[in-house]
Amino acid sequence: DIQMTQSPSAMSASVGDRVTITCRASQGISNYLAWFQQKPGKVPKRLISAASSLQSGVPSRFSGSGSGTEFTLTISSLQPEDFATYYCLQHNSYPLTFGGGTKVEIK
Amino acid sequence: EVQLLESGGGLVQPGGSLRLSCAASGFTFSSYAMSWVRQAPGKGLEWVSGISGSGDHTYYADSVKGRFTIPRDNSKNTLYLKMNSLRVEDTAVYYCAKGRKDYGDPYNWFDPWGQGTLVTVSS
Repeated sequence: DIQMTQSPSAMSASVGDRVTITCRASQGISNYLAWFQQKPGKVPKRLISAASSLQSGVPSRFSGSGSGTEFTLTISSLQPEDFATYYCLQHNSYPLTFGGGTKVEIK
Repeated sequence: EVQLLESGGGLVQPGGSLRLSCAASGFTFSSYAMSWVRQAPGKGLEWVSGISGSGDHTYYADSVKGRFTIPRDNSKNTLYLKMNSLRVEDTAVYYCAKGRKDYGDPYNWFDPWGQGTLVTVSS
């Protein structure tokens, strides 16, 4: 099974900050990786697929990069509505696995 | 518009059984893989089980293997999760999520999700 190690698990940041979240796969997954955002009490929303392809309607301050075993989600300038928990998902092979999540809180 | 509507959650005693349903609309249900994902209170997302569009192939997380099954009825556009031998640690909100199209775009996973249904396992 492929393990997804996400870091950090939590972080405090200010509006306007650049934020980077990392996911590492225990084995190569090419670019079969997606990023999700979840706000409290809400359903997860996909932000990025294929490691770097931004979903329609998602602000361009979000970007994804990486291939193989290391991936990053970057928010170039954090906005108030971006405070949420972010998850990566590998879908290279079953069982599908999520990272442990990164909670982005207001500093 | 794609819609997924889960139902069937509730309170069940340890060792009991429950069947969740996910009614799908707005897409050709039989062409798409589907999955169940759960989230325990205050915890992260955990993929539970998946099934191909045809229903020929099923997959399970180790944590539920042998206790849960994931049938689908393509004539009713409905996905199910049959849960037996439930444990306290199965307590979670269970989401169904639309997967990739069989033989289609390999990247189109988990968009959208249903609203979720809460399963509470407690005595």
